[in-house]
Amino acid sequence: GNSVTQMEGPVTLSEEAFLTINCTYTATGYPSLFWYVQYPGEGLQLLLKATKADDKGSNKGFEATYRKETTSFHLEKGSVQVSDSAVYFCARTNAGGTSYGKLTFGQGTILTVHP
Amino acid sequence: DVKVTQSSRYLVKRTGEKVFLECVQDMDHENMFWYRQDPGLGLRLIYFSYDVKMKEKGDIPEGYSVSREKKERFSLILESASTNQTSMYLCASSATGGGNTIYFGEGSWLTVV
Repeated sequence: GNSVTQMEGPVTLSEEAFLTINCTYTATGYPSLFWYVQYPGEGLQLLLKATKADDKGSNKGFEATYRKETTSFHLEKGSVQVSDSAVYFCARTNAGGTSYGKLTFGQGTILTVHP
Repeated sequence: DVKVTQSSRYLVKRTGEKVFLECVQDMDHENMFWYRQDPGLGLRLIYFSYDVKMKEKGDIPEGYSVSREKKERFSLILESASTNQTSMYLCASSATGGGNTIYFGEGSWLTVV
């Protein structure tokens, strides 16, 4: 099936700390993988994506590498800022020939960064 | 700049009322989606549409219907609102093709009392 499992939150860090949010997916098909971010009171925005194995997506200092062997797409950032406080969602495209771009999302991880 | 616009940010409705949530995109996208977002459950797909007048059920369609009369507009309808439909509703759109980015609106907070 199509499922995504994210690290449970909430995650609380001090500014400049290293961030990892784990994400694993079921290995059905050859999905594209995404991280979306939701800032308070807003909708979801694409943070980064990777469309094939070993691709690395990166944006705003965040990175994630598509690891087919471990079916993972962990999100990392070397030095977080208070402005990174948000909810982070991992997602995959659905398997199947006519998925129409549907995504399956993880449950979301709340990140709070303190000064 | 891409834009998905949801007509209402905050609504309060009574149990049993019919509720319409409207969504418009200006990117000429073929695909449009309605998700609901609940704490601890992430986003769950209610319905999606891959063309005008075409629709398919998502993972949790019960209690909802949709309408897509024009390419740019996708409406979510709650025929008879219930308290367990209190949630954040997110509309999204994407172009057809593998791995294409889905763009989201800002969301509509619906409270059913």
